[in-house]
Amino acid sequence: EAEVAQSPRYKITEKSQAVAFWCDPISGHATLYWYRQILGQGPELLVQFQDESVVDDSQLPKDRFSAERLKGVDSTLKIQPAELGDSAMYLCASSLEGLTDTQYFGPGTRLTVL
Amino acid sequence: AQSVAQPEDQVNVAEGNPLTVKCTYSVSGNPYLFWYVQYPNRGLQFLLKYITGDNLVKGSYGFEAEFNKSQTSFHLKKPSALVSDSALYFCAVRGVDSGAGSYQLTFGKGTKLSVIP
Repeated sequence: EAEVAQSPRYKITEKSQAVAFWCDPISGHATLYWYRQILGQGPELLVQFQDESVVDDSQLPKDRFSAERLKGVDSTLKIQPAELGDSAMYLCASSLEGLTDTQYFGPGTRLTVL
Repeated sequence: AQSVAQPEDQVNVAEGNPLTVKCTYSVSGNPYLFWYVQYPNRGLQFLLKYITGDNLVKGSYGFEAEFNKSQTSFHLKKPSALVSDSALYFCAVRGVDSGAGSYQLTFGKGTKLSVIP
């Protein structure tokens, strides 16, 4: 069964450092999402890509966060500089193109900022 | 704006008993509703979804959910709970509020299900 891959699974960093997360969606899925999940809460969308184009980044803190999907396949989410409040689980998901299509999630990256 | 409420932070049920995890939603237009399950330090695993049609939706691992438009609810159910069902359950909604081209899912805060042996 195809799955969304993410790396690393865990990341510990100090504040003001740069961090990067990688996601490889299910093959053939045109839509890719990055969500942030704070402990005790549901995930919240950071950015949505359709192929290589950003469709929705309205909740992405653009002063420190950036995301790219250069060839419309895998994607990287970067934080620079990291802040204490960025500690969370970062989840990548992918889906086919339609509004009703299911989003399938990867295992996530647990970020701890010290 | 679209929203989801899961009124119970935790649900405890004895193994073998039926379980219900509650969800209500608010969205403009037709709702697309989803249930996901999350095990500790793992991503979300899809259980089932309602798009249109029959109000009773069947999903993975014996779970089902009932869509009630008048009560704006989408409760998750299982006739006989297993200890292995113990996990965090999230309800999510997607609707036209998301904006042009955005397929954002809005999640509830989650309900922790504990099945007691």
